[in-house]
Amino acid sequence: DAKTTQPTSMDCAEGRAANLPCNHSTISGNEYVYWYRQIHSQGPQYIIHGLKNNETNEMASLIITEDRKSSTLILPHATLRDTAVYYCIVRTGGTSYGKLTFGQGTILTVHP
Amino acid sequence: GAVVSQHPSWVICKSGTSVKIECRSLDFQATTMFWYRQFPKQSLMLMATSNEGSKATYEQGVEKDKFLINHASLTLSTLTVTSAHPEDSSFYICSARGLADSYYNEQFFGPGTRLTVL
Repeated sequence: DAKTTQPTSMDCAEGRAANLPCNHSTISGNEYVYWYRQIHSQGPQYIIHGLKNNETNEMASLIITEDRKSSTLILPHATLRDTAVYYCIVRTGGTSYGKLTFGQGTILTVHP
Repeated sequence: GAVVSQHPSWVICKSGTSVKIECRSLDFQATTMFWYRQFPKQSLMLMATSNEGSKATYEQGVEKDKFLINHASLTLSTLTVTSAHPEDSSFYICSARGLADSYYNEQFFGPGTRLTVL
């Protein structure tokens, strides 16, 4: 599966949008972009995933560039409880399900 | 939906003893379960993948005789750390994936088990 590059850390003010970037320049055509987050001392929580179209759910939006080499996770109105490590993962999907391999992620700190 | 539980949530044991950690999918059938380990301030590292009724596939560098994995049913997998030593102290997290072509065909994670070996 393709590797990803994320900033080590980011800050965001409470109530503002948090935009977390991810580079995956070696992504293949059958690979999906997944986002998970891990709050301290808990298991990872699934956020969203997409293949090439932008996606939105109750937690976040995922914007994937047209060439699919990068993406941005958007938390529209960050709260203090969104403080966590956010992982961007690329893996194969569908019937060719690949393993989730975690990188170092981005430490997002939401401050008052 | 898609709830995965682990038991115990934390355990302290003496060096040389064995510890068993359970992972259960509460509201779906998990055809595949994964076990991860996470040391402080590090990312999750996949230890092994198991399919129900089959032997687990271990990642390179993970000792299969030390970390025994059993996936005997579609809702339960166990990880046994045999002859535990202080360097095995870590946060162990399981993940379960359900049937293909269903909502549960994604990896859902348990809350983790903190193991401390004295």
